[in-house]
Amino acid sequence: GAGVSQSPSNKVTEKGKDVELRCDPISGHTALYWYRQSLGQGLEFLIYFQGNSAPDKSGLPSDRFSAERTGGSVSTLTIQRTQQEDSAVYLCASSSGNSEAFFGQGTRLTVV
Amino acid sequence: RKEVEQDPGPFNVPEGATVAFNCTYSNSASQSFFWYRQDCRKEPKLLMSVYSSGNEDGRFTAQLNRASQYISLLIRDSKLSDSATYLCRASGGSYIPTFGRGTSLIVHP
Repeated sequence: GAGVSQSPSNKVTEKGKDVELRCDPISGHTALYWYRQSLGQGLEFLIYFQGNSAPDKSGLPSDRFSAERTGGSVSTLTIQRTQQEDSAVYLCASSSGNSEAFFGQGTRLTVV
Repeated sequence: RKEVEQDPGPFNVPEGATVAFNCTYSNSASQSFFWYRQDCRKEPKLLMSVYSSGNEDGRFTAQLNRASQYISLLIRDSKLSDSATYLCRASGGSYIPTFGRGTSLIVHP
């Protein structure tokens, strides 16, 4: 597609369930980022993939969070045993090297 | 200290005013700089890149000061539609590109 695509756009889940969020970056972009944004707050960095290098996971808030990027393209962010504090908008972005990053529309996660 | 810092504001200005935001970065290896705009409940979108010599796009002017390690965004003749959060981003070298927390701008009639 022409832009970064994220799915689902909205997700409501029960506390304790696992969720998977998907990001389809712009074709050819080697860098992919996941961020989390709570209402009224700034972007919280979660994880960064660059080409075939090992991902930088330094922003993941706990071991319940994990992400993978298959074939250097699509990425999945998985949250296990969701908690209410995980409720936020999860944004994915991609870029070509250090050029501008383009964001998807985000997944709004609500844990009830 | 955060890699990229911004005054969160809010900056509350009347229509027609000129307003400027600064963004400081701590990593001297930073090479590329950008300003993004984020509307409420939307994703950030690129507003403009920041070039070493400074650049202008209509009412918007971006500047880079490498010696003091900051970038700035100047908005002239503010419009109601300029109300948004403005985020800066620095990237380059081997570190993860970093966003500031954003500066909130409210333009009122």
